[in-house]
Amino acid sequence: DGGITQSPKYLFRKEGQNVTLSCEQNLNHDAMYWYRQDPGQGLRLIYYSQIVNDFQKGDIAEGYSVSREKKESFPLTVTSAQKNPTAFYLCASSMWTDDYGYTFGSGTRLTVV
Amino acid sequence: EDQVTQSPEALRLQEGESSSLNCSYTVSGLRGLFWYRQDPGKGPEFLFTLYSAGEEKEKERLKATLTKKESFLHITAPKPEDSATYLCAVQGPNYGGSQGNLIFGKGTKLSVKP
Repeated sequence: DGGITQSPKYLFRKEGQNVTLSCEQNLNHDAMYWYRQDPGQGLRLIYYSQIVNDFQKGDIAEGYSVSREKKESFPLTVTSAQKNPTAFYLCASSMWTDDYGYTFGSGTRLTVV
Repeated sequence: EDQVTQSPEALRLQEGESSSLNCSYTVSGLRGLFWYRQDPGKGPEFLFTLYSAGEEKEKERLKATLTKKESFLHITAPKPEDSATYLCAVQGPNYGGSQGNLIFGKGTKLSVKP
């Protein structure tokens, strides 16, 4: 079955640590996205990538970094510069011709301890 | 600036009590309007895509409609399993730039009590 896989499901970060969230898709989608979701805030775009080796900042990119070395993979690193990283992180992918909008992963819940 | 506003923020219904959720939007050149369902701790799940005013789509107890300024998600005789957050998103016309990205509303949290 085609889909988009995020791992891990739960992640704990100590103060001052960088952590990387994994996102892999086997849908052959060109575009991939990272969102952050907080209660009452809705989905906020962190980074997006429309082709391999290219990515763009979204609305809240500060303290985050990404790479897109393969079409299937779009990992997100939450750096120590991100002051309030505790949130639910969602990865998504899409094709322009797709009628389904975005296909989402199941999310990673990151907690600072 | 393109915007999506969903109302109400939360809605409590009794089982069988029909109602509607609203999504109002401002976007230059709508390509598509999308509805998603999100259960707690999970990613959003696709429900409908609407492209033009007057279009309607149905799935089980859900029916989505679209006008030039808003979309409604009608829920007929809801059941407890319909409890979830419903997200609306719009897509502008231009792929290859930020205008092609989906813009999401904050969602409506629906609770259906037995």
